[in-house]
Amino acid sequence: NAGVTQTPKFRVLKTGQSMTLLCAQDMNHEYMYWYRQDPGMGLRLIHYSVGEGTTAKGEVPDGYNVSRLKKQNFLLGLESAAPSQTSVYFCASKQGRQPQHFGDGTRLSIL
Amino acid sequence: GENVEQHPSTLSVQEGDSAVIKCTYSDSASNYFPWYKQELGKRPQLIIDIRSNVGEKKDQRIAVTLNKTAKHFSLHITETQPEDSAVYFCAASGGNDMRFGAGTRLTVKP
Repeated sequence: NAGVTQTPKFRVLKTGQSMTLLCAQDMNHEYMYWYRQDPGMGLRLIHYSVGEGTTAKGEVPDGYNVSRLKKQNFLLGLESAAPSQTSVYFCASKQGRQPQHFGDGTRLSIL
Repeated sequence: GENVEQHPSTLSVQEGDSAVIKCTYSDSASNYFPWYKQELGKRPQLIIDIRSNVGEKKDQRIAVTLNKTAKHFSLHITETQPEDSAVYFCAASGGNDMRFGAGTRLTVKP
């Protein structure tokens, strides 16, 4: 049982480049989340989705876009990467009132 | 929106001692309070959670208490062991999203 899988695990970008982070879950969960984790700041919610075809903004949505075209996938896009977006990105999913399950994270560096 | 504050940011204890981490939240509608443990380079993992209809919950050496009136909740680890060393996060949720505290780095000295 894979759970929550994030790809890629590591990526280095140049300022201005674009990329998409993929989160896939095989637990048939309705809810999916994207967080960023920076030293001393915990996990901050970027965007989330309460079901296929829906998305909503979290605490720090600026500079990111998301899509949930399929229930099992939640994509996080950076249209024009900036050094301030250097971070570790975590995806999570949950069903109903159950706890969130996290992926292993994507370490993103923007030069 | 919800704001979660967590203290202390670092905590060092001797093996066998107890550790207590405290969090406060701002939104009275929050009704679910999980605690996550994160080891270096790993994903956050749920260690215990509590819902607002319960004041205390215990799982072996770990316990969580909730004071809804004061809007604070705490994690208690007894008989600490070196493998308890990690960063611990509290969180609060009242609906579809969840807000996390900034984390506490716990070091257990052998």
